[in-house]
Amino acid sequence: LAKTTQPISMDSYEGQEVNITCSHNNIATNDYITWYQQFPSQGPRFIIQGYKTKVTNEVASLFIPADRKSSTLSLPRVSLSDTAVYYCLVGDRGNDYKLSFGAGTTVTVRA
Amino acid sequence: ETGVTQTPRHLVMGMTNKKSLKCEQHLGHNAMYWYKQSAKKPLELMFVYSLEERVENNSVPSRFSPECPNSSHLFLHLHTLQPEDSALYLCASSQVEREEETQYFGPGTRLLVL
Repeated sequence: LAKTTQPISMDSYEGQEVNITCSHNNIATNDYITWYQQFPSQGPRFIIQGYKTKVTNEVASLFIPADRKSSTLSLPRVSLSDTAVYYCLVGDRGNDYKLSFGAGTTVTVRA
Repeated sequence: ETGVTQTPRHLVMGMTNKKSLKCEQHLGHNAMYWYKQSAKKPLELMFVYSLEERVENNSVPSRFSPECPNSSHLFLHLHTLQPEDSALYLCASSQVEREEETQYFGPGTRLLVL
Protein backbone atom coordinates (compact mmCIF):
# COMPACT_ATOMS: atom_id res chain seq x y z
CA LEU A 1 0.00 0.00 0.00
CA ALA A 2 1.60 3.21 -1.19
CA LYS A 3 1.41 5.86 1.53
CA THR A 4 1.33 9.46 0.39
CA THR A 5 2.74 12.58 2.01
CA GLN A 6 1.66 16.13 1.16
CA PRO A 7 2.25 19.55 2.72
CA ILE A 8 -0.46 20.41 5.20
CA SER A 9 -1.14 23.85 3.80
CA MET A 10 -0.11 26.36 1.16
CA ASP A 11 -0.96 30.03 0.72
CA SER A 12 -1.09 31.87 -2.56
CA TYR A 13 -2.48 34.97 -4.23
CA GLU A 14 -4.84 35.32 -7.13
CA GLY A 15 -3.18 34.92 -10.50
CA GLN A 16 -0.24 32.93 -9.20
CA GLU A 17 0.67 29.35 -10.03
CA VAL A 18 0.35 26.84 -7.22
CA ASN A 19 2.39 23.64 -7.19
CA ILE A 20 1.63 20.88 -4.71
CA THR A 21 4.01 17.96 -4.43
CA CYS A 22 2.96 14.54 -3.18
CA SER A 23 5.49 11.91 -2.13
CA HIS A 24 4.67 8.24 -2.71
CA ASN A 25 7.94 6.36 -2.33
CA ASN A 26 6.34 2.92 -2.29
CA ILE A 27 4.19 3.34 -5.38
CA ALA A 28 3.53 0.03 -7.13
CA THR A 29 3.91 -0.69 -10.81
CA ASN A 30 0.18 -0.73 -11.46
CA ASP A 31 -0.69 2.32 -9.36
CA TYR A 32 -2.17 5.43 -10.91
CA ILE A 33 -1.84 8.88 -9.33
CA THR A 34 -5.05 10.85 -8.98
CA TRP A 35 -5.73 14.27 -7.52
CA TYR A 36 -9.02 15.39 -6.06
CA GLN A 37 -10.31 18.76 -4.89
CA GLN A 38 -12.66 19.13 -1.96
CA PHE A 39 -14.65 22.14 -0.80
CA PRO A 40 -16.15 22.28 2.71
CA SER A 41 -19.13 19.99 3.22
CA GLN A 42 -18.83 18.54 -0.27
CA GLY A 43 -17.47 15.30 -1.64
CA PRO A 44 -14.06 15.26 -3.37
CA ARG A 45 -14.06 16.13 -7.05
CA PHE A 46 -11.72 14.53 -9.59
CA ILE A 47 -9.15 16.95 -11.01
CA ILE A 48 -6.56 14.98 -12.92
CA GLN A 49 -4.93 11.56 -13.17
CA GLY A 50 -1.69 10.22 -14.58
CA TYR A 51 0.67 7.27 -14.68
CA LYS A 52 3.94 8.83 -15.84
CA THR A 53 5.44 11.97 -17.44
CA LYS A 54 3.05 14.89 -17.82
CA VAL A 55 -0.70 15.17 -18.08
CA THR A 56 -2.60 18.38 -18.73
CA ASN A 57 -6.29 19.19 -18.82
CA GLU A 58 -8.36 22.34 -18.73
CA VAL A 59 -7.87 22.92 -15.01
CA ALA A 60 -4.45 21.55 -14.04
CA SER A 61 -1.23 19.81 -14.98
CA LEU A 62 0.31 16.78 -13.35
CA PHE A 63 4.04 16.19 -13.47
CA ILE A 64 5.39 12.73 -12.67
CA PRO A 65 9.15 12.04 -12.72
CA ALA A 66 10.56 8.87 -14.19
CA ASP A 67 10.92 7.11 -10.83
CA ARG A 68 7.25 7.93 -9.99
CA LYS A 69 8.09 8.38 -6.33
CA SER A 70 6.48 11.79 -6.31
CA SER A 71 4.08 13.88 -8.35
CA THR A 72 3.32 17.58 -8.58
CA LEU A 73 -0.09 19.09 -9.19
CA SER A 74 0.16 22.48 -10.87
CA LEU A 75 -2.75 24.93 -10.74
CA PRO A 76 -2.15 27.82 -13.14
CA ARG A 77 -3.33 31.32 -12.29
CA VAL A 78 -5.40 30.45 -9.24
CA SER A 79 -8.48 32.38 -8.19
CA LEU A 80 -10.27 32.73 -4.86
CA SER A 81 -12.56 29.85 -5.84
CA ASP A 82 -9.57 27.50 -5.95
CA THR A 83 -9.36 27.68 -2.15
CA ALA A 84 -9.93 24.06 -1.15
CA VAL A 85 -8.30 20.89 0.12
CA TYR A 86 -6.37 18.92 -2.49
CA TYR A 87 -5.84 15.18 -2.10
CA CYS A 88 -3.25 13.00 -3.71
CA LEU A 89 -4.49 9.46 -4.30
CA VAL A 90 -2.36 6.49 -5.23
CA GLY A 91 -3.80 3.08 -5.79
CA ASP A 92 -4.78 0.18 -7.94
CA ARG A 93 -8.08 -1.58 -8.06
CA GLY A 94 -6.28 -4.89 -8.25
CA ASN A 95 -4.94 -4.42 -4.73
CA ASP A 96 -8.29 -5.02 -3.05
CA TYR A 97 -9.30 -1.42 -3.62
CA LYS A 98 -6.84 -0.26 -0.97
CA LEU A 99 -6.57 3.26 -2.27
CA SER A 100 -4.38 5.61 -0.29
CA PHE A 101 -5.60 9.14 0.23
CA GLY A 102 -3.09 11.62 1.52
CA ALA A 103 -3.96 13.87 4.43
CA GLY A 104 -4.69 16.62 1.96
CA THR A 105 -3.21 20.05 1.35
CA THR A 106 -5.28 23.07 2.27
CA VAL A 107 -4.68 25.72 -0.36
CA THR A 108 -5.75 29.23 0.56
CA VAL A 109 -5.88 31.81 -2.21
CA ARG A 110 -5.94 35.44 -1.14
CA ALA A 111 -6.89 38.52 -3.10
CA GLU B 1 -23.65 17.68 -9.74
CA THR B 2 -21.54 14.53 -9.98
CA GLY B 3 -24.34 12.07 -10.65
CA VAL B 4 -24.10 10.63 -7.15
CA THR B 5 -26.76 11.60 -4.63
CA GLN B 6 -26.86 10.95 -0.90
CA THR B 7 -29.66 11.22 1.64
CA PRO B 8 -30.02 12.53 4.18
CA ARG B 9 -27.49 15.36 3.98
CA HIS B 10 -27.51 15.79 7.75
CA LEU B 11 -28.38 13.30 10.50
CA VAL B 12 -28.40 13.53 14.27
CA MET B 13 -28.90 10.30 16.17
CA GLY B 14 -28.57 8.91 19.63
CA MET B 15 -26.36 5.97 20.47
CA THR B 16 -29.33 3.61 20.73
CA ASN B 17 -30.91 4.58 17.41
CA LYS B 18 -30.91 2.69 14.16
CA LYS B 19 -30.67 4.68 10.95
CA SER B 20 -29.65 4.17 7.35
CA LEU B 21 -27.76 6.30 4.87
CA LYS B 22 -28.70 6.06 1.21
CA CYS B 23 -26.64 6.59 -1.91
CA GLU B 24 -27.73 6.46 -5.53
CA GLN B 25 -25.58 6.81 -8.61
CA HIS B 26 -26.93 7.81 -12.02
CA LEU B 27 -23.73 7.18 -13.97
CA GLY B 28 -24.16 3.55 -14.94
CA HIS B 29 -21.15 2.55 -12.87
CA ASN B 30 -20.64 -0.94 -11.50
CA ALA B 31 -18.78 -0.19 -8.28
CA MET B 32 -19.82 1.81 -5.24
CA TYR B 33 -17.93 2.85 -2.13
CA TRP B 34 -18.47 4.16 1.38
CA TYR B 35 -15.88 6.47 2.93
CA LYS B 36 -15.65 8.07 6.34
CA GLN B 37 -14.12 11.50 6.75
CA SER B 38 -13.40 12.66 10.27
CA ALA B 39 -12.11 16.10 11.08
CA LYS B 40 -8.44 16.54 10.18
CA LYS B 41 -8.04 12.92 9.13
CA PRO B 42 -7.57 11.27 5.73
CA LEU B 43 -10.54 9.75 3.98
CA GLU B 44 -11.03 6.22 5.21
CA LEU B 45 -12.37 3.61 2.82
CA MET B 46 -15.01 1.57 4.62
CA PHE B 47 -16.67 -0.69 2.07
CA VAL B 48 -16.58 -1.43 -1.63
CA TYR B 49 -19.13 -3.21 -3.78
CA SER B 50 -17.83 -4.11 -7.20
CA LEU B 51 -19.55 -6.42 -9.67
CA GLU B 52 -21.68 -7.70 -6.79
CA GLU B 53 -18.62 -8.59 -4.73
CA ARG B 54 -18.07 -6.89 -1.40
CA VAL B 55 -14.64 -5.82 -0.20
CA GLU B 56 -14.32 -4.25 3.19
CA ASN B 57 -11.85 -2.61 5.48
CA ASN B 58 -11.43 -5.02 8.35
CA SER B 59 -10.99 -2.20 10.81
CA VAL B 60 -14.57 -0.98 10.37
CA PRO B 61 -16.72 -1.84 13.42
CA SER B 62 -19.68 -4.17 12.98
CA ARG B 63 -22.07 -1.41 14.00
CA PHE B 64 -21.73 -0.29 10.37
CA SER B 65 -23.47 -2.61 7.92
CA PRO B 66 -23.53 -1.98 4.16
CA GLU B 67 -26.12 -3.16 1.69
CA CYS B 68 -26.03 -2.97 -2.08
CA PRO B 69 -29.30 -4.26 -3.61
CA ASN B 70 -28.22 -3.34 -7.15
CA SER B 71 -25.45 -1.49 -8.95
CA SER B 72 -27.15 1.88 -8.57
CA HIS B 73 -28.04 1.88 -4.89
CA LEU B 74 -25.98 1.61 -1.75
CA PHE B 75 -27.00 1.78 1.88
CA LEU B 76 -25.10 2.07 5.13
CA HIS B 77 -27.07 0.78 8.10
CA LEU B 78 -26.10 2.27 11.43
CA HIS B 79 -26.85 0.88 14.88
CA THR B 80 -25.59 1.55 18.41
CA LEU B 81 -23.08 4.11 17.18
CA GLN B 82 -20.60 5.92 19.36
CA PRO B 83 -19.88 9.67 19.50
CA GLU B 84 -16.55 9.06 17.75
CA ASP B 85 -18.51 7.88 14.73
CA SER B 86 -19.58 11.44 14.09
CA ALA B 87 -18.14 12.33 10.71
CA LEU B 88 -18.90 13.04 7.06
CA TYR B 89 -19.87 9.84 5.27
CA LEU B 90 -19.17 9.90 1.58
CA CYS B 91 -20.43 7.63 -1.15
CA ALA B 92 -18.61 7.21 -4.45
CA SER B 93 -18.96 5.20 -7.64
CA SER B 94 -16.70 4.15 -10.48
CA GLN B 95 -16.55 1.95 -13.56
CA VAL B 96 -14.20 -0.93 -12.87
CA GLU B 97 -13.48 -1.95 -16.45
CA ARG B 98 -11.37 1.14 -16.88
CA GLU B 99 -7.69 0.74 -16.02
CA GLU B 100 -7.51 4.00 -14.17
CA GLU B 101 -9.41 4.53 -10.97
CA THR B 102 -11.67 7.58 -11.15
CA GLN B 103 -14.28 7.82 -8.47
CA TYR B 104 -17.19 10.21 -8.44
CA PHE B 105 -18.25 11.31 -4.99
CA GLY B 106 -21.60 12.34 -3.62
CA PRO B 107 -22.06 15.40 -1.37
CA GLY B 108 -21.90 13.33 1.80
CA THR B 109 -24.02 12.85 4.90
CA ARG B 110 -22.94 14.82 7.95
CA LEU B 111 -23.59 12.52 10.93
CA LEU B 112 -23.64 13.60 14.54
CA VAL B 113 -23.95 10.94 17.24
CA LEU B 114 -25.03 12.19 20.62
